[in-house]
Amino acid sequence: AQSVAQPEDQVNVAEGNPLTVKCTYSVSGNPYLFWYVQYPNRGLQFLLKYITGDNLVKGSYGFEAEFNKSQTSFHLKKPSALVSDSALYFCAVRDGGDFNKFYFGSGTKLNVKP
Amino acid sequence: NAGVTQTPKFQVLKTGQSMTLQCAQDMNHEYMSWYRQDPGMGLRLIHYSVGAGITDQGEVPNGYNVSRSTTEDFPLRLLSAAPSQTSVYFCASSVDPNYEQYFGPGTRLTVT
Repeated sequence: AQSVAQPEDQVNVAEGNPLTVKCTYSVSGNPYLFWYVQYPNRGLQFLLKYITGDNLVKGSYGFEAEFNKSQTSFHLKKPSALVSDSALYFCAVRDGGDFNKFYFGSGTKLNVKP
Repeated sequence: NAGVTQTPKFQVLKTGQSMTLQCAQDMNHEYMSWYRQDPGMGLRLIHYSVGAGITDQGEVPNGYNVSRSTTEDFPLRLLSAAPSQTSVYFCASSVDPNYEQYFGPGTRLTVT
């Protein structure tokens, strides 16, 4: 079965500090992985994706994610957090058998304090 | 370019009532999908479509129907609403599943 786990419901970080939002996955075949961000009362917005290639993927708003095949992880990172980064973050994986299906994690609320 | 639009934004239904959530996109995307978002559970795929006339079930399809008569529109029908269908519903579209999905603003549905 395909699944995504985001082990932290909430991450708190001070503005200017680095941030990490964790994601682990379980999927058959090669993983297609995505990160999305959701601001209050809005739909999800795409941040970045990993399909193949370099393990470090760069995305929007200064975010990046590191793919680690041996640990089946795809953690989201940013070197210096901004208060405006405070939002709900979702990791998603494409189904390894049915490429038209996606599974989302439960979400991690990021709080960046001034 | 409006992107993905959803109507209504809010809806309250009584148990047993039916309704249709509307979704439209103006990006000529072939792939469209419906998700429900529940606290602590993330988004779960209800139905998806890979083009006009082609739909299939996702993870939680029971109680919902879809159709795709045009590339632009992908309505979601609740046949007989139940309190368990209280949720926020998101429609999304993409060029194809290898690419990022664009999400609508959501419909908050309450079933009493």
